[in-house]
Amino acid sequence: GAVVSQHPSRVICKSGTSVKIECRSLDFQATTMFWYRQFPKQSLMLMATSNEGSKATYEQGVEKDKFLINHASLTLSTLTVTSAHPEDSSFYICSAQETRAFFGQGTRLTVV
Amino acid sequence: GENVEQHPSTLSVQEGDSAVIKCTYSDSASNYFPWYKQELGKRPQLIIDIRSNVGEKKDQRIAVTLNKTAKHFSLHITETQPEDSAVYFCAASENSGYSTLTFGKGTMLLVSP
Repeated sequence: GAVVSQHPSRVICKSGTSVKIECRSLDFQATTMFWYRQFPKQSLMLMATSNEGSKATYEQGVEKDKFLINHASLTLSTLTVTSAHPEDSSFYICSAQETRAFFGQGTRLTVV
Repeated sequence: GENVEQHPSTLSVQEGDSAVIKCTYSDSASNYFPWYKQELGKRPQLIIDIRSNVGEKKDQRIAVTLNKTAKHFSLHITETQPEDSAVYFCAASENSGYSTLTFGKGTMLLVSP
């Protein structure tokens, strides 16, 4: 299947700092990518839909000023967690779809 | 919007037994139903999917059935093995290409040797 690469896989940051997570589709172009958040032992919760060349669409309850999404090319979307706090600690996963959805390996964010 | 219910939340079986996980969906416009397997700390991996023009699909020990009238679909794993232990998610969407996937809450499958 298609390959989606996400980096970093793990990151620890201090409260108040910002963290950028990259999601790349390696062998296909993705006009749309999706960002999910997953809490321990829970399902994937859609945060936002990233659209190449336009603004992202955020799900209800997700702060767009806190979770900045940029989809500048057909193979790269980035999620920046701004002014991170401990409650932002979670597993973030992106996906890109080419007839089927393929997921990045996820990023474990720990805010201390 | 779409709502996907998944049952059971946990399932324990003995190696060699079969396992069945069931999902229901609410939006009659949904026509694509994938199943993902997620091991702890790893990405969800697509294991099988089905589209609404098909009632059943099989891939070795894994099969999926779809009943569009009743709006439910099921994952069947036969001859389970310990390496099948993981969390399984069902999902639904209107279009496999670009539409948002709505996930069920997941089923933790434990296969005991």
